[in-house]
Amino acid sequence: NAGVTQTPKFQVLKTGQSMTLQCAQDMNHNSMYWYRQDPGMGLRLIYYSASEGTTDKGEVPNGYNVSRLNKREFSLRLESAAPSQTSVYFCASTAPWASGSGLGEQYFGPGTRLTVT
Amino acid sequence: AQSVAQPEDQVNVAEGNPLTVKCTYSVSGNPYLFWYVQYPNRGLQFLLKYITGDNLVKGSYGFEAEFNKSQTSFHLKKPSALVSDSALYFCAVRDIGGGYQKVTFGIGTKLQVIP
Repeated sequence: NAGVTQTPKFQVLKTGQSMTLQCAQDMNHNSMYWYRQDPGMGLRLIYYSASEGTTDKGEVPNGYNVSRLNKREFSLRLESAAPSQTSVYFCASTAPWASGSGLGEQYFGPGTRLTVT
Repeated sequence: AQSVAQPEDQVNVAEGNPLTVKCTYSVSGNPYLFWYVQYPNRGLQFLLKYITGDNLVKGSYGFEAEFNKSQTSFHLKKPSALVSDSALYFCAVRDIGGGYQKVTFGIGTKLQVIP
């Protein structure tokens, strides 16, 4: 049981390049999330997926797109990277609540450290 | 809109002493409250949560947190700090009443336990 896995761990991009961050969970969770972590700003939600086949914008979606490929996988794409997207990116999934509504704690991946020059 | 405040950027405590990391929140309805810990170059790990019931919640690694509705606080505590507790701690809130199950995180408090 690997939990939440993310690839790659590190990436350096030039401005304008594109890339996809991959995330997978093996806990059969319905809800998955992408956050970015910046010093002094905590975690900010980029996009989330409440269930397979649905995605919604979070606080800071501009410059990003997501795909919920299946129940396990949730990818984040940067179409044209900008220096402002230099950050650490975390994927998370939510444990189901007793009622199954997905209001439980989140499980996080190890993160992807992205630098855009 | 929901929000979380962690008023201290850093907390220093001597090993063996009790520690407190502060958190206050604001939500429109009843809150779900969480504490997470982040070790260097790692993802966040869940420590404990308050949903309903007893105001004192016990979690992993000997941590506990006290929910105070009148003060809208959810402070993290431990009776005796260990050097290995040194890490970044995040408080988070989820509004039970919201249809969008969004979690708002605080900016984090760095805990330094001094040997």
